[in-house]
Amino acid sequence: DTGVSQNPRHKITKRGQNVTFRCDPISEHNRLYWYRQTLGQGPEFLTYFQNEAQLEKSRLLSDRFSAERPKGSFSTLEIQRTEQGDSAMYLCASSLQPYEQYFGPGTRLTVT
Amino acid sequence: GDSVTQMEGPVTLSEEAFLTINCTYTATGYPSPFWYVQYPGEGLQLLLKATKADDKGSNKGFEATYRKETTSFHLEKGSVQVSDSAVYFCALATNTPLVFGKGTRLSVIA
Repeated sequence: DTGVSQNPRHKITKRGQNVTFRCDPISEHNRLYWYRQTLGQGPEFLTYFQNEAQLEKSRLLSDRFSAERPKGSFSTLEIQRTEQGDSAMYLCASSLQPYEQYFGPGTRLTVT
Repeated sequence: GDSVTQMEGPVTLSEEAFLTINCTYTATGYPSPFWYVQYPGEGLQLLLKATKADDKGSNKGFEATYRKETTSFHLEKGSVQVSDSAVYFCALATNTPLVFGKGTRLSVIA
């Protein structure tokens, strides 16, 4: 069991640039989730996939955010035209059962 | 919508002290509660869970009992260690996404 991995671990970008983060779930897990965590807060749900189908995306923070999971394995989260308010930790989790989610180490985004 | 309220920190305890972190929730349906822990510089780790009313989850000396009548899932440990210093998150699942509390930072001093 190699766990959930995320890349990069840290990303510094200038305002207005696009960024993409990658998440590789635990291999037998068919569900994959994205959350955002800001300082002093708990994780906030963004979107999730069951296999390659994106089943919930209404919580994505704006239309600048999009996620894909093209073959039901890894997933990417893209933020277009980044803003300073996008600075946060972006967490990925995966699960086999609906509720017991296992989290990756996160990607810390800093927008300057 | 569903929400989780947990005890605000930070909490500072001496080694071997008793720990309680309160967690209550409001939810529709039949929620499943969880505790996650985040050690410094690391990701969230599932600490323990419960699946039905009066279930007691336990792991690494931590325990929590799912009390449906009081909508609570308080975390306890009888004797904390310095290595327990971390941020603890109570979470709830009624639908697939988890709803988290704000977290409680615990510092244990020798």
